[in-house]
Amino acid sequence: MQLVQSGAEVKRPGSSVKVSCWASGGTFRSSAFSWVRQAPGQGLEWMGGIIPMFGAAHYAQKFQGRVTIIADDLTTTIYMELSGLRSEDTAVYYCATDCDHLNFVMFSWGQGTPVTVSS
Amino acid sequence: EIALTQSPVTLHVYPGERVTLSCRASQNVSNHLAWYQEKPGQAPRLLIYDMSTRATGIPVRFRGSGSGTDFTLTISSLQSEDFAVYYCQQYSDWPPLTFGGGTKVETK
Repeated sequence: MQLVQSGAEVKRPGSSVKVSCWASGGTFRSSAFSWVRQAPGQGLEWMGGIIPMFGAAHYAQKFQGRVTIIADDLTTTIYMELSGLRSEDTAVYYCATDCDHLNFVMFSWGQGTPVTVSS
Repeated sequence: EIALTQSPVTLHVYPGERVTLSCRASQNVSNHLAWYQEKPGQAPRLLIYDMSTRATGIPVRFRGSGSGTDFTLTISSLQSEDFAVYYCQQYSDWPPLTFGGGTKVETK
C-alpha cells in the first residue's frame, strides 16, 4: 500500500491543521493507520490510529481532546486534525499503515508533512 | 503505558563491524516488537516485526531476537548505507503504541 500525504503547512499558534493521507494499492478498510510525529531533532511519537472497518479512532492520552483522526472510505483517505497549535507542535507528521496485518506494525509510510507553528 | 528504553543512545562503528542494538520494555510485550531504520530527510522504514521477521526486501544481515522484555537488533556486518537511527516499537498493549528513544549509528 502506498501513502501520499498533503503538503507542508505553516500555522499560527492557537489555530488548527488538517493533514491528509491518501492510501492506494491495498485493502483500505481492514488496514490499521497511525499518525506519528517527529519534532526537530527528536524521536518518533505515536499520536493515534484508526482501522476504517471499525470506525473508532484511538488516541495517545497526550493528544486527547486536541486530535481527531477520521477515515473516508470513498476516497481511501485518512485525515488527522490537530487543534490548539503551539510552537511545540512544530514537527513532521507521518501517516503509516500495517497493510492489512491488523497489528499496527508500520509497514508503509507516507512521505511526511512538515507543520510549522509560528507567530 | 509500556516504556521502551534503547541503548546505547549513540554507537560509533567502522563499516564491516558487527553491531548490536538493545531495546528493553517496561512490561512483557511477548514478540510484538518491531524495528525501524530512519535516515535524514526520509520516512522511517520497517526492518523487523514480530521480534524476528524481516520485512520484505530487508537484507539478511539484519537480525532481530529476544523475548518478553529484552530485545536485540543485530547487524552482522555494517554497510555504509546502514548509518542511521534505529527505533524499536511495541504493539502488544495500546493505546498508546510506543517507540524507544532511538539509537544513532555513526561512523567511527
